[in-house]
Amino acid sequence: RKEVEQDPGPFNVPEGATVAFNCTYSNSASQSFFWYRQDCRKEPKLLMSVYSSGNEDGRFTAQLNRASQYISLLIRDSKLSDSATYLCVAYETANAGNMLTFGGGTRLMVKP
Amino acid sequence: SQTIHQWPATLVQPVGSPLSLECTVEGTSNPNLYWYRQAAGRGLQLLFYSVGIGQISSEVPQNLSASRPQDRQFILSSKKLLLSDSGFYLCAWSVLNSSPLHFGNGTRLTVT
Repeated sequence: RKEVEQDPGPFNVPEGATVAFNCTYSNSASQSFFWYRQDCRKEPKLLMSVYSSGNEDGRFTAQLNRASQYISLLIRDSKLSDSATYLCVAYETANAGNMLTFGGGTRLMVKP
Repeated sequence: SQTIHQWPATLVQPVGSPLSLECTVEGTSNPNLYWYRQAAGRGLQLLFYSVGIGQISSEVPQNLSASRPQDRQFILSSKKLLLSDSGFYLCAWSVLNSSPLHFGNGTRLTVT
């Protein structure tokens, strides 16, 4: 089974800091990628889609490096409300259908 | 706009009892539908996915089953629950290949 791997953390950062997470994927056929945010005991919510080299949305920047098979998520000016688990997802098309593989998540804790 | 409904939100069931979790999607046609499970402190595990009515693919052989009796209805069932079935069950949908998943609020199942 192809895998998506993330550092589980936790990443403890002060408010206002910049923090970056990496996610590596083993299947070179993976076509698109997503970052989800999951709060404790809640469902994952889509944060960003990464279809090409990268994507930026406000304080959040996602980048894709196909040669090295990793994607990253950069959060600038961290807020207390950014504390959550961030899930990386790789999407590949297989004969049996569309296959999404989730990483185990990286936990972020932003401290005042 | 599309919405996904999943119920119940929480459930406590004794070992050996049956299970039925229901998920419905509104505002879209012929969605891809998914059932995931997340054990406490763990990543998301794909259980079943469906690309159409009556079409179910199982990712993990176990005592669970899924059915799709209508286009926008996805049901997760078990005839006899095990302690190891405890977890957070998430239904999700997507519409296109390579599009992100959108999750329901989840059902927290405790088997006692």
